[in-house]
Amino acid sequence: DSGVTQTPKHLITATGQRVTLRCSPRSGDLSVYWYQQSLDQGLQFLIHYYNGEERAKGNILERFSAQQFPDLHSELNLSSLELGDSALYFCASSVAPGSMYEQYFGPGTRLTVT
Amino acid sequence: AQTVTQSQPEMSVQEAETVTLSCTYDTSESNYYLFWYKQPPSRQMILVIRQEAYKQQNATENRFSVNFQKAAKSFSLKISDSQLGDTAMYFCAFMKHGRYGGATNKLIFGTGTLLAVQP
Repeated sequence: DSGVTQTPKHLITATGQRVTLRCSPRSGDLSVYWYQQSLDQGLQFLIHYYNGEERAKGNILERFSAQQFPDLHSELNLSSLELGDSALYFCASSVAPGSMYEQYFGPGTRLTVT
Repeated sequence: AQTVTQSQPEMSVQEAETVTLSCTYDTSESNYYLFWYKQPPSRQMILVIRQEAYKQQNATENRFSVNFQKAAKSFSLKISDSQLGDTAMYFCAFMKHGRYGGATNKLIFGTGTLLAVQP
């Protein structure tokens, strides 16, 4: 158990819908990263938050957004869902940027868009 | 931009034997970190081992060790005394060193090597 929690574990929804994925980092970790794992794209970085502030964006679609709240949990919002958004979404947490602290991953949320 | 290449999509090893998974990377950075993550059938991403680029000594964690060749930009993972529980997808990952308050520490992953340990 990495100490990172993600809910829900599974999500099945229809095209055009909107969903919210939730992540709680390990106690004391200030950074939250979101990654997408799909068959065709592999594991890709989406976005990074540090202590409530967005720090970097990767290959994140405009239909996707995220935020990190004062209690440090983070939410990834996916809207106007398409079949191609079906994937495993991971969040990972670490202590701080500017260090070599490794990232610990949550169990992931498997999103299926039908 | 940094890239990570894992040229072995699948490998197989007998229980108790030793296996080496290959990883090469491309970067112009001098200060960075390398990781191996394991993803078993449960899909959980588990950190196996880490290596700081400025350290010449190869990292070791129990049965797992790396062969880090900085000049060749190579970072292979050796698993000794393979066990059935080692069956998983293994991902090599690169992280650029980020200055505090500066660059992000995103992980860049290879495409993975699926390792099957045979009884």
